[in-house]
Amino acid sequence: IQMTQSPSSLSAFVGDRVTITCRASPGISNHLAWYQQKSGKLPKLLIYGASTLRSGVPSRFSGSGSGTDFSLTISSLQPEDVATYFCQNYNSAPFTFGQGTRLEIK
Amino acid sequence: EVQLVESGGSVVHPGGSLRLSCAASGFNFYDYTMFWFRQPPGKGLQWVAVITWDGGSSFYPDSLKGRFTVSRDNSRNSLYLQMNGLISDDTAFYYCARAAVSKQWLVPTDYWGQGSRVTVSS
Repeated sequence: IQMTQSPSSLSAFVGDRVTITCRASPGISNHLAWYQQKSGKLPKLLIYGASTLRSGVPSRFSGSGSGTDFSLTISSLQPEDVATYFCQNYNSAPFTFGQGTRLEIK
Repeated sequence: EVQLVESGGSVVHPGGSLRLSCAASGFNFYDYTMFWFRQPPGKGLQWVAVITWDGGSSFYPDSLKGRFTVSRDNSRNSLYLQMNGLISDDTAFYYCARAAVSKQWLVPTDYWGQGSRVTVSS
């Protein structure tokens, strides 16, 4: 299963709405997770089931999509959101990750 | 509190072998599918292996089949990864991670260990 994530890097202002996309080939129903990895830290699960926010994750994060096309949106970018974001297929093996999107503040 | 602690990483020559361990605590280890992932320096995340809660099934990416073997000892709350025929491309941080839902395996992961560094170099 191929997971194609875009863009590879993104720079935005605090308060901006930011969207990252992930395309799966073939489709994976809604079995997609989004992870956040801050520099030097562990990956942290943000969203699963394509759109379900993990408990404790700020509500400015949201996910959508099903089948082949998915997106992660941050409604109002905060300085603490600087990180690399990965999508991951868990519909079937291989449990492929997207290449990652490095998010920075302008 | 869920804790996963990897150990066993080191520098190894090409062609060598290494066994990583992951000690689990804070949850019923025997109820959870466990994963191994890796992250080469400055690169993205790669799935390495998965083993179901009872150890009855395990899966690997095609690129690692035959070289890597995942196992677990539920009596010791421990997960293992045996790596043979190591090559430079295996250089990475290796992480163990827990499935987010008990007794299922097609689920995301919710807890990760701190990682164990493996360097393959002559």
